[in-house]
Amino acid sequence: GDQVKQSPSALSLQEGTNSALRCNFSIATTTVQWFLQNPRGSLMNLFYLVPGTKENGRLKSTFNSKESYSTLHIRDAQLEDSGTYFCAAEGGSALGRLHFGAGTQLIVIP
Amino acid sequence: NAGVIQTPRHKVTGKGQEATLWCEPISGHSAVFWYRQTIVQGLEFLTYFRNQAPIDDSGMPKERFSAQMPNQSHSTLKIQSTQPQDSAVYLCASSLLTGGRSAEQFFGPGTRLTVL
Repeated sequence: GDQVKQSPSALSLQEGTNSALRCNFSIATTTVQWFLQNPRGSLMNLFYLVPGTKENGRLKSTFNSKESYSTLHIRDAQLEDSGTYFCAAEGGSALGRLHFGAGTQLIVIP
Repeated sequence: NAGVIQTPRHKVTGKGQEATLWCEPISGHSAVFWYRQTIVQGLEFLTYFRNQAPIDDSGMPKERFSAQMPNQSHSTLKIQSTQPQDSAVYLCASSLLTGGRSAEQFFGPGTRLTVL
């Protein structure tokens, strides 16, 4: 089901610009992970969040458990940021398993 | 640290044949998870083990799929009588998950299974 709704589904960004991706959760979520899937298919870990905010370079992510959403902000987009971004929620009726969103396909244009 | 290792990276089987996929978790990690990814269904949870014990197999198809973790250094996912709809990328992840506390999951590169 749509326990994790991710938006937008696709996004084109001019190099150097900023954007935000969002996930809304319809399950009680304890932690959130964000991944970037590269063209080879590998899932690279970006953030692991309990409620709160983390920042890493040009990326910043927030998990708001009370309002059941998480955001990923990309600042000064670079060509190497292109790929598919996934959020995943841990929670619901069973701890441990991750519930994935459908992904945001990001293309950064020179 | 080599990360999560999955073998083979690609596997092609004929309809009705058996496929066994292997996963070696990160050394010291206590939990192993299996997911699969398709264009239509996206990323779906299949099953997971903690300290080699099966904890949650709610995502496993009830027939033809089975998973084992005979020791702390590897897990296998076996699909009997493979069907074309089993074609997917099968992903293994591991974490330091302990009872009652969450932990970050790290994924392997996946095994792309193609059933002809």
